[in-house]
Amino acid sequence: GQQVMQIPQYQHVQEGEDFTTYCNSSTTLSNIQWYKQRPGGHPVFLIQLVKSGEVKKQKRLTFQFGEAKKNSSLHITATQTTDVGTYFCAVPWGGNTDKLIFGTGTRLQVFP
Amino acid sequence: DAEITQSPRHKITETGRQVTLACHQTWNHNNMFWYRQDLGHGLRLIHYSYGVHDTNKGEVSDGYSVSRSNTEDLPLTLESAASSQTSVYFCASSAAGLGGSSTDTQYFGPGTRLTVL
Repeated sequence: GQQVMQIPQYQHVQEGEDFTTYCNSSTTLSNIQWYKQRPGGHPVFLIQLVKSGEVKKQKRLTFQFGEAKKNSSLHITATQTTDVGTYFCAVPWGGNTDKLIFGTGTRLQVFP
Repeated sequence: DAEITQSPRHKITETGRQVTLACHQTWNHNNMFWYRQDLGHGLRLIHYSYGVHDTNKGEVSDGYSVSRSNTEDLPLTLESAASSQTSVYFCASSAAGLGGSSTDTQYFGPGTRLTVL
């Protein structure tokens, strides 16, 4: 069946260091979404990537979609304590663009 | 402002009891989803609905059921609660599909923490 692998599972960084999480799919994707969940909170949509090789930026966050549309990355430059949380990628399930399958998430901890 | 709410926020129940978790959205979204979140598993889809009277099974539907009698609500029922169903449950909604290569954003409720003893 369709699999979405996300690495690393955990990442602890010092404030100011960079952080990257990777998402890999076993199948070619029509799009990929990224969500952030703060501790004790609920997932919140960050961005959607649709085009091969697409790169989008939101302030210190850079999202990239692979050329083959089977992988994606989220990079945070100069982390801040407000970046703490779990970052999930999510992809359409079984080719149906309304349903999503979520990666297992990367939990980011930032030490001041 | 539109929102999605869940109740109760916390629930403790006993094995074998029937439990219903409520989800209510005021986005007027056609699509509604139920997920469970467990450590090491991320979010797993339980059931989903694309509109009134439509329900479908997700990845982990055994032991759960849903019904959709109106646009706003998708209650999740655990027919006979088991300890393995101890989890955090999230409801989400999205507009009908945009079509093409895009997927509409899912908006999540605050979650219900369920403990089955």
